[in-house]
Amino acid sequence: EAGVVQSPRYKIIEKKQPVAFWCNPISGHNTLYWYRQNLGQGPELLIRYENEEAVDDSQLPKDRFSAERLKGVDSTLKIQPAELGDSAVYLCASSSRASTKTGELFFGEGSRLTVL
Amino acid sequence: GEDVEQSLFLSVREGDSSVINCTYTDSSSTYLYWYKQEPGAGLQLLTYIFSNMDMKQDQRLTVLLNKKDKHLSLRIADTQTGDSAIYFCAERGGTASKLTFGTGTRLQVTL
Repeated sequence: EAGVVQSPRYKIIEKKQPVAFWCNPISGHNTLYWYRQNLGQGPELLIRYENEEAVDDSQLPKDRFSAERLKGVDSTLKIQPAELGDSAVYLCASSSRASTKTGELFFGEGSRLTVL
Repeated sequence: GEDVEQSLFLSVREGDSSVINCTYTDSSSTYLYWYKQEPGAGLQLLTYIFSNMDMKQDQRLTVLLNKKDKHLSLRIADTQTGDSAIYFCAERGGTASKLTFGTGTRLQVTL
């Protein structure tokens, strides 16, 4: 079974530039999460989708961050414009109805963003 | 809000036991978790414990939960070099699917 796939793995941009990250969850997983992991910290939830609906986006900085999951499968996370403090690893995770009950999330390898 | 605390670093010799500790603040936590992150990889669930349990054992892993003190620990028996990674404690509180992660403990296994 293929895992959660994210791209790009690494991205270096200058501040004020836009950037987008893509995530393909495990087939059949209806819940998708975007987490941000700052250096030396644990992951922090940005947004959670149930199918195509964003059910928790309370931690998403809506002035510059946006996300979408149009057909309830793949998702993109966009930052426009990027700031120096956005440098982090952006992790995508997914879970099925069964694994959501126990809280087991399946994580991708992450997209490491460096803003210069 | 919820807070999860861990020590940053632990070094053990191969073959010894490792004990990684975690404290949390949310008294309504339903499940508590240990995730492992190897370099350049995403997080992988190692084990979890329901809040009405005191202990859970899974092969070399033993999880102890002291709900009164809001303290969780992970013991790894016969630690191997392949166990070198960052270990994250996480808790799930009132919100069904939201996990709050600690800062992670880097485990270094020396020969």
